[in-house]
Amino acid sequence: TAGITQAPTSQILAAGRSMTLRCTQDMRHNAMYWYRQDLGLGLRLIHYSNTAGTTGKGEVPDGYSVSRANTDDFPLTLASAVPSQTSVYFCASSPPGDTGELFFGEGSRLTVL
Amino acid sequence: EDQVTQSPEALRLQEGESSSLNCSYTVSGLRGLFWYRQDPGKGPEFLFTLYSAGEEKEKERLKATLTKKESFLHITAPKPEDSATYLCAVQESGAGNMLTFGGGTRLMVKP
Repeated sequence: TAGITQAPTSQILAAGRSMTLRCTQDMRHNAMYWYRQDLGLGLRLIHYSNTAGTTGKGEVPDGYSVSRANTDDFPLTLASAVPSQTSVYFCASSPPGDTGELFFGEGSRLTVL
Repeated sequence: EDQVTQSPEALRLQEGESSSLNCSYTVSGLRGLFWYRQDPGKGPEFLFTLYSAGEEKEKERLKATLTKKESFLHITAPKPEDSATYLCAVQESGAGNMLTFGGGTRLMVKP
């Protein structure tokens, strides 16, 4: 089972350019999340979606946007990238219920120059 | 604001040398505390959920315990394949599945 698939695996991007990180899940989970992971800061929640058609802001939402047109896909868009958005981005999903058990993708490493 | 602090940041052990990782937390109402394992270049993988002080969970060489202010991940007779970063996270009551993660402890077990 694929679980969570993220693309691209890594990307170098010029500052000011836009970029969409893709995330697809095949587990039919309602809830999905985007985290960024930076050395010393741990995982920080960017945006989340509890179900298709709804989204919410996490701890560090500025400079990012998300959409949830269907259950399976949850893309993250950087409209105008800045160097501080250099990070590893993880998409995750969770099964029904507040179990706290998240299923993560392999991550997308983004470098903004 | 929820806070999660893990210590040490890094830990080197010899194979078979038991030790413990610490996760101290501040949360207004704890719904659950979670441990995840993360291998280099991979996403975190769920290990345990603890809900109340005094609770313990075990999996192979790992045992997680919880008090009102902290959690410990005890590693008994570790093997090199236990080398990974271990992440602790808390879930606040009413926050759904939005977790607050600590910075992690990078464990290296030498043969």
